[in-house]
Amino acid sequence: EAQVTQNPRYLITVTGKKLTVTCSQNMNHEYMSWYRQDPGLGLRQIYYSMNVEVTDKGDVPEGYKVSRKEKRNFPLILESPSPNQTSLYFCASSAGQGAYEQYFGPGTRLTVT
Amino acid sequence: AQKVTQAQTEISVVEKEDVTLDCVYETRDTTYYLFWYKQPPSGELVFLIRRNSFDEQNEISGRYSWNFQKSTSSFNFTITASQVVDSAVYFCALSDYSGAGSYQLTFGKGTKLSVIP
Repeated sequence: EAQVTQNPRYLITVTGKKLTVTCSQNMNHEYMSWYRQDPGLGLRQIYYSMNVEVTDKGDVPEGYKVSRKEKRNFPLILESPSPNQTSLYFCASSAGQGAYEQYFGPGTRLTVT
Repeated sequence: AQKVTQAQTEISVVEKEDVTLDCVYETRDTTYYLFWYKQPPSGELVFLIRRNSFDEQNEISGRYSWNFQKSTSSFNFTITASQVVDSAVYFCALSDYSGAGSYQLTFGKGTKLSVIP
């Protein structure tokens, strides 16, 4: 089954404790990205990757890191989480940019206290 | 500047009513792509439709229809004879060229549709 998986699905952590949210896709997609969803703000792109070893900032990259060492994986790293990073996070992949629709993971609900 | 505007934050309709979700976009490109996604209460995001800027033909899929008008920069979504299962947050999105071989994908803030039985 074609899918994007994220782990963990739910995470409660404390300020400053480094964490990683994993994302993996099995569709051989070139393009992957991370979004955060907040009430009243919709979906905002954090980082994206056009291919292995190629990543770039989205609209809200502050406080996040990513890496794309393999085509299928695109982890999101919070080196020192803060309460304002409490949000619902989605990973997505697509065959390319422009005309291609995004396939989204199930989401990760992160709470930083 | 906001590139995708979904002015309706929340809409409530009674089952079997028709409802239109508005989407207005802004871009300087002549080639761009518009999308609608659905997010039901379970939380996943599901792709509904894509339109490219050269194709203004309206699309109908069952009870769903989409009206793309370049003259007004709008890509509206209509649900006919709404059902409770249509209750969801609907996102409109725009993909346009941002330079250096890269496209930018921008989502609207979403419209929450509640269909009351």
